Amino acid sequence: DQQVKQNSPSLSVQEGRISILNCDYTNSMFDYFLWYKKYPAEGPTFLISISSIKDKNEDGRFTVFLNKSAKHLSLHIVPSQPGDSAVYFCAASARETSGSRLTFGEGTQLTVNP
Amino acid sequence: DAGVIQSPRHEVTEMGQEVTLRCKPISGHDYLFWYRQTMMRGLELLIYFNNNVPIDDSGMPEDRFSAKMPNASFSTLKIQPSEPRDSAVYFCASSSVPGLAVYNEQFFGPGTRLTVL
Repeated sequence: DQQVKQNSPSLSVQEGRISILNCDYTNSMFDYFLWYKKYPAEGPTFLISISSIKDKNEDGRFTVFLNKSAKHLSLHIVPSQPGDSAVYFCAASARETSGSRLTFGEGTQLTVNP
Repeated sequence: DAGVIQSPRHEVTEMGQEVTLRCKPISGHDYLFWYRQTMMRGLELLIYFNNNVPIDDSGMPEDRFSAKMPNASFSTLKIQPSEPRDSAVYFCASSSVPGLAVYNEQFFGPGTRLTVL
Protein backbone atom coordinates (compact mmCIF):
# COMPACT_ATOMS: atom_id res chain seq x y z
CA ASP A 1 0.00 0.00 0.00
CA GLN A 2 1.22 3.46 -0.85
CA GLN A 3 1.24 5.35 2.44
CA VAL A 4 2.49 8.56 0.85
CA LYS A 5 0.87 9.62 -2.39
CA GLN A 6 1.59 12.37 -4.84
CA ASN A 7 -1.35 12.23 -7.21
CA SER A 8 0.02 14.62 -9.81
CA PRO A 9 2.82 13.05 -11.84
CA SER A 10 3.58 16.40 -13.47
CA LEU A 11 2.99 20.13 -13.14
CA SER A 12 3.82 22.94 -15.53
CA VAL A 13 3.90 26.61 -14.50
CA GLN A 14 5.15 29.90 -15.90
CA GLU A 15 8.24 31.58 -14.51
CA GLY A 16 7.33 34.02 -11.75
CA ARG A 17 4.08 32.27 -10.85
CA ILE A 18 3.39 30.05 -7.88
CA SER A 19 4.00 26.29 -7.99
CA ILE A 20 1.94 24.15 -5.62
CA LEU A 21 2.88 20.51 -5.18
CA ASN A 22 0.62 18.28 -3.14
CA CYS A 23 1.11 15.19 -1.02
CA ASP A 24 -1.32 13.00 0.92
CA TYR A 25 -0.54 10.37 3.52
CA THR A 26 -2.52 7.65 5.25
CA ASN A 27 -0.42 6.70 8.27
CA SER A 28 -1.49 8.74 11.29
CA MET A 29 1.80 7.85 13.02
CA PHE A 30 3.76 10.04 10.61
CA ASP A 31 5.02 13.05 12.52
CA TYR A 32 7.77 14.52 10.38
CA PHE A 33 7.67 15.38 6.72
CA LEU A 34 10.34 16.29 4.20
CA TRP A 35 10.51 17.42 0.60
CA TYR A 36 13.34 16.35 -1.66
CA LYS A 37 14.26 17.70 -5.07
CA LYS A 38 15.83 15.60 -7.79
CA TYR A 39 17.55 16.70 -11.00
CA PRO A 40 18.15 14.21 -13.83
CA ALA A 41 21.10 11.88 -13.32
CA GLU A 42 21.50 13.04 -9.72
CA GLY A 43 20.33 11.75 -6.37
CA PRO A 44 17.54 13.51 -4.46
CA THR A 45 18.61 16.39 -2.23
CA PHE A 46 16.84 17.68 0.85
CA LEU A 47 14.78 20.84 0.36
CA ILE A 48 12.60 21.60 3.39
CA SER A 49 10.92 19.81 6.28
CA ILE A 50 8.13 20.26 8.79
CA SER A 51 7.28 18.71 12.12
CA SER A 52 3.72 17.72 12.93
CA ILE A 53 3.63 20.26 15.75
CA LYS A 54 3.68 23.02 13.12
CA ASP A 55 1.39 23.84 10.25
CA LYS A 56 3.79 25.94 8.23
CA ASN A 57 7.52 26.20 7.60
CA GLU A 58 9.11 28.75 5.33
CA ASP A 59 12.56 28.93 3.79
CA GLY A 60 13.04 31.66 1.22
CA ARG A 61 10.87 30.96 -1.80
CA PHE A 62 9.79 27.60 -0.40
CA THR A 63 6.96 27.08 2.07
CA VAL A 64 5.53 23.80 3.27
CA PHE A 65 2.02 23.64 4.72
CA LEU A 66 0.73 20.75 6.82
CA ASN A 67 -2.93 19.95 7.42
CA LYS A 68 -2.90 17.09 9.91
CA SER A 69 -6.65 16.59 10.00
CA ALA A 70 -6.72 16.12 6.25
CA LYS A 71 -3.40 14.21 6.22
CA HIS A 72 -2.24 16.55 3.52
CA LEU A 73 0.82 18.66 2.91
CA SER A 74 1.81 20.98 0.14
CA LEU A 75 4.94 22.70 -1.08
CA HIS A 76 4.62 26.23 -2.42
CA ILE A 77 7.34 27.77 -4.54
CA VAL A 78 6.99 31.46 -5.22
CA PRO A 79 8.14 32.93 -7.47
CA SER A 80 8.94 29.85 -9.56
CA GLN A 81 12.17 29.89 -11.55
CA PRO A 82 13.30 27.72 -14.49
CA GLY A 83 16.00 26.24 -12.24
CA ASP A 84 13.25 24.82 -10.04
CA SER A 85 12.37 22.36 -12.81
CA ALA A 86 12.97 18.96 -11.22
CA VAL A 87 11.18 15.99 -9.68
CA TYR A 88 9.91 16.72 -6.17
CA PHE A 89 9.46 13.89 -3.68
CA CYS A 90 7.41 14.09 -0.52
CA ALA A 91 8.63 11.88 2.37
CA ALA A 92 7.28 11.05 5.81
CA SER A 93 8.67 9.63 9.01
CA ALA A 94 7.10 8.05 12.10
CA ARG A 95 9.84 8.77 14.58
CA GLU A 96 8.47 6.76 17.49
CA THR A 97 7.81 3.58 15.58
CA SER A 98 10.09 3.64 12.57
CA GLY A 99 13.06 5.72 13.65
CA SER A 100 15.19 6.68 10.70
CA ARG A 101 12.98 5.19 8.02
CA LEU A 102 11.48 7.55 5.42
CA THR A 103 8.49 6.66 3.24
CA PHE A 104 8.53 8.46 -0.10
CA GLY A 105 5.82 9.33 -2.56
CA GLU A 106 5.95 8.72 -6.31
CA GLY A 107 7.28 12.17 -7.15
CA THR A 108 5.95 15.13 -9.18
CA GLN A 109 7.82 16.45 -12.20
CA LEU A 110 7.74 20.26 -12.07
CA THR A 111 8.49 22.20 -15.23
CA VAL A 112 8.88 25.97 -14.99
CA ASN A 113 8.63 27.61 -18.38
CA PRO A 114 10.55 30.85 -19.08
CA ASP B 1 33.46 15.38 1.79
CA ALA B 2 32.81 13.59 -1.49
CA GLY B 3 29.27 12.66 -0.55
CA VAL B 4 27.75 9.23 -1.05
CA ILE B 5 29.54 7.35 -3.80
CA GLN B 6 27.87 4.68 -5.90
CA SER B 7 29.26 2.42 -8.58
CA PRO B 8 28.72 1.65 -11.31
CA ARG B 9 26.63 4.58 -12.57
CA HIS B 10 25.16 2.46 -15.33
CA GLU B 11 24.84 -1.30 -15.63
CA VAL B 12 23.42 -3.25 -18.55
CA THR B 13 23.18 -6.98 -18.14
CA GLU B 14 21.28 -9.95 -19.45
CA MET B 15 18.54 -11.78 -17.66
CA GLY B 16 19.89 -14.42 -15.32
CA GLN B 17 23.18 -12.68 -14.66
CA GLU B 18 24.36 -11.58 -11.22
CA VAL B 19 24.49 -7.85 -10.57
CA THR B 20 26.36 -6.15 -7.73
CA LEU B 21 25.84 -2.50 -6.88
CA ARG B 22 28.24 -0.74 -4.56
CA CYS B 23 27.96 2.15 -2.13
CA LYS B 24 30.32 4.17 0.04
CA PRO B 25 28.41 6.28 2.58
CA ILE B 26 29.49 9.63 3.98
CA SER B 27 32.17 9.14 6.60
CA GLY B 28 30.74 9.18 10.11
CA HIS B 29 27.18 8.40 9.10
CA ASP B 30 25.55 5.63 11.10
CA TYR B 31 22.69 4.76 8.76
CA LEU B 32 22.76 3.43 5.22
CA PHE B 33 19.71 2.98 3.01
CA TRP B 34 19.13 1.26 -0.32
CA TYR B 35 16.23 2.52 -2.47
CA ARG B 36 14.81 1.63 -5.85
CA GLN B 37 13.15 4.27 -8.01
CA THR B 38 10.39 3.31 -10.41
CA MET B 39 7.79 5.41 -12.20
CA MET B 40 4.89 3.62 -10.55
CA ARG B 41 6.08 3.50 -6.97
CA GLY B 42 8.55 6.34 -6.69
CA LEU B 43 11.34 5.75 -4.18
CA GLU B 44 10.94 2.42 -2.44
CA LEU B 45 13.08 1.55 0.56
CA LEU B 46 14.63 -1.86 0.09
CA ILE B 47 16.74 -2.22 3.23
CA TYR B 48 18.56 -0.10 5.77
CA PHE B 49 21.47 -0.60 8.13
CA ASN B 50 22.42 1.00 11.42
CA ASN B 51 26.05 0.64 12.45
CA ASN B 52 26.51 -2.02 9.75
CA VAL B 53 23.63 -4.14 11.05
CA PRO B 54 20.53 -4.68 8.86
CA ILE B 55 17.53 -3.19 10.67
CA ASP B 56 14.66 -3.52 8.22
CA ASP B 57 14.76 -5.57 5.04
CA SER B 58 11.01 -5.81 4.56
CA GLY B 59 11.27 -3.89 1.31
CA MET B 60 13.55 -6.40 -0.36
CA PRO B 61 11.35 -7.78 -3.13
CA GLU B 62 12.48 -11.40 -3.16
CA ASP B 63 15.21 -13.77 -2.20
CA ARG B 64 17.03 -12.83 -5.38
CA PHE B 65 17.99 -9.59 -3.63
CA SER B 66 20.58 -9.46 -0.88
CA ALA B 67 22.52 -6.65 0.79
CA LYS B 68 25.59 -6.57 2.98
CA MET B 69 27.53 -3.98 4.89
CA PRO B 70 30.84 -5.54 5.92
CA ASN B 71 32.14 -2.29 7.39
CA ALA B 72 31.15 1.32 8.00
CA SER B 73 32.43 2.52 4.64
CA PHE B 74 31.05 -0.03 2.20
CA SER B 75 27.82 -1.74 1.26
CA THR B 76 26.66 -3.92 -1.61
CA LEU B 77 23.29 -4.75 -3.10
CA LYS B 78 23.28 -7.96 -5.10
CA ILE B 79 20.65 -9.34 -7.46
CA GLN B 80 21.03 -12.97 -8.47
CA PRO B 81 19.61 -13.92 -10.88
CA SER B 82 18.55 -10.63 -12.40
CA GLU B 83 15.27 -10.22 -14.30
CA PRO B 84 14.01 -7.51 -16.71
CA ARG B 85 11.57 -6.23 -14.06
CA ASP B 86 14.53 -5.33 -11.87
CA SER B 87 15.39 -2.54 -14.29
CA ALA B 88 15.30 0.70 -12.30
CA VAL B 89 17.53 3.31 -10.72
CA TYR B 90 18.98 2.16 -7.41
CA PHE B 91 19.99 4.77 -4.86
CA CYS B 92 22.09 4.50 -1.76
CA ALA B 93 21.67 7.10 0.99
CA SER B 94 23.26 7.70 4.37
CA SER B 95 22.41 9.74 7.43
CA SER B 96 23.71 10.49 10.89
CA VAL B 97 21.98 9.86 14.19
CA PRO B 98 18.44 11.26 14.19
CA GLY B 99 18.13 14.50 16.07
CA LEU B 100 21.18 16.17 14.63
CA ALA B 101 20.72 18.97 12.12
CA VAL B 102 17.62 18.25 10.11
CA TYR B 103 15.91 15.25 11.57
CA ASN B 104 16.17 12.26 9.28
CA GLU B 105 17.83 14.14 6.45
CA GLN B 106 19.28 11.51 4.19
CA PHE B 107 22.07 12.20 1.73
CA PHE B 108 21.72 10.37 -1.54
CA GLY B 109 24.27 9.09 -4.00
CA PRO B 110 23.88 9.71 -7.75
CA GLY B 111 22.27 6.30 -8.29
CA THR B 112 22.96 3.28 -10.48
CA ARG B 113 20.77 2.87 -13.54
CA LEU B 114 20.28 -0.86 -14.03
CA THR B 115 18.96 -2.30 -17.28
CA VAL B 116 18.30 -6.02 -17.46
CA LEU B 117 17.71 -7.25 -21.01
